[in-house]
Amino acid sequence: GAGVSQTPSNKVTEKGKYVELRCDPISGHTALYWYRQSLGQGPEFLIYFQGTGAADDSGLPNDRFFAVRPEGSVSTLKIQRTERGDSAVYLCASSFSWNTEAFFGQGTRLTVV
Amino acid sequence: EDQVTQSPEALRLQEGESSSLNCSYTVSGLRGLFWYRQDPGKGPEFLFTLYSAGEEKEKERLKATLTKKESFLHITAPKPEDSATYLCAVLEGGATNKLIFGTGTLLAVQP
Repeated sequence: GAGVSQTPSNKVTEKGKYVELRCDPISGHTALYWYRQSLGQGPEFLIYFQGTGAADDSGLPNDRFFAVRPEGSVSTLKIQRTERGDSAVYLCASSFSWNTEAFFGQGTRLTVV
Repeated sequence: EDQVTQSPEALRLQEGESSSLNCSYTVSGLRGLFWYRQDPGKGPEFLFTLYSAGEEKEKERLKATLTKKESFLHITAPKPEDSATYLCAVLEGGATNKLIFGTGTLLAVQP
């Protein structure tokens, strides 16, 4: 596909469970970002990858959140011991290089019940 | 602390009624200012990047401008299909590559 692909599009999980959210960036894009968006708010930065390494993870709220990008392409955002406050839309974006515009996927709507 | 403020929060226009959306920012070393459009249930869609004061970009009915403290998104003769939330974001200076977003302006264009 031509755009950023995120799966699943919706995820409902019980409080305390573990979830994984997947992002498939645009082919050839070296930079990948995760953001979180709550209702009525703008996206909030979580983490930025340049290649395989996390260049900036300052937005991860606590150690329950972790993200990987082992081969420099697909990325997975992992959330342990989910809490109701983690409910939000998780957006992934990619860009060709570190200083160019980022293109977003459709997001994964996570609901913790 | 770096901050992005958008106004108004919501705007209702009649079809053909031109207007402007504002994005004011405080950031240490602006590397770029971005405008995105977001439709309900979708991810943000890239519109423009502006890098320096005085720069302008146009696309169809939209024109974005930039000064040292704010950016405007001008909408000329809007149509109902222009209805969406418009998000502004700034790219900080320094080693980080994170975008700081405003809360957006919800635009409704009535036929």
